[in-house]
Amino acid sequence: AQSVTQLDSQVPVFEEAPVELRCNYSSSVSVYLFWYVQYPNQGLQLLLKYLSGSTLVESINGFEAEFNKSQTSFHLRKPSVHISDTAEYFCAVNKGGSEKLVFGKGTKLTVNP
Amino acid sequence: GAGVSQSPSNKVTEKGKDVELRCDPISGHTALYWYRQSLGQGLEFLIYFQGNSAPDKSGLPSDRFSAERTGGSVSTLTIQRTQQEDSAVYLCASSLEGGIGEKLFFGSGTQLSVL
Repeated sequence: AQSVTQLDSQVPVFEEAPVELRCNYSSSVSVYLFWYVQYPNQGLQLLLKYLSGSTLVESINGFEAEFNKSQTSFHLRKPSVHISDTAEYFCAVNKGGSEKLVFGKGTKLTVNP
Repeated sequence: GAGVSQSPSNKVTEKGKDVELRCDPISGHTALYWYRQSLGQGLEFLIYFQGNSAPDKSGLPSDRFSAERTGGSVSTLTIQRTQQEDSAVYLCASSLEGGIGEKLFFGSGTQLSVL
């Protein structure tokens, strides 16, 4: 069975500080990895994804995530956060051959001034 | 429409009643998904449609839950004899073809409260 573990349920940080949101998955087969974000009072939207190729993927708003096969991780990072990054972030995985997207429990990122 | 539309946005019902939740996917999207979001539990997969058929309904928690999709478009999730543990936000998502790695577009959800 596959699962996604987000180790931190809440992460408070100050504005302009770096942040890392951790995600680990369990799967013995190839996977496709995603980060989705849910801003307050909005629906979930895709932030970035890894399908193949370069293990480092970036979003348009400065977040990046690196696929690490040996550590089965896909941590999300941003070197300097903004107040507007306050949201809940969900890591998700497609196991190869399955259309089902399995989500982690989410990490609430709160950026304080 | 421009996005995935769900109705109602909020539903309060009494234990034992049946409820129907509706999802209108993005026009042209053949794949449709239902998820349930509970406090502290993340998103729980319920069912996946490709066209009108449901190749994966493995996430439906009990036989009180059912879903259908007609005309390759609108989908209805029905919960019979609702229980308090059914209280959650029910999310619908659609994607163009349902291929592995495809971006999902989510609706704003239906907040279901069972009293």
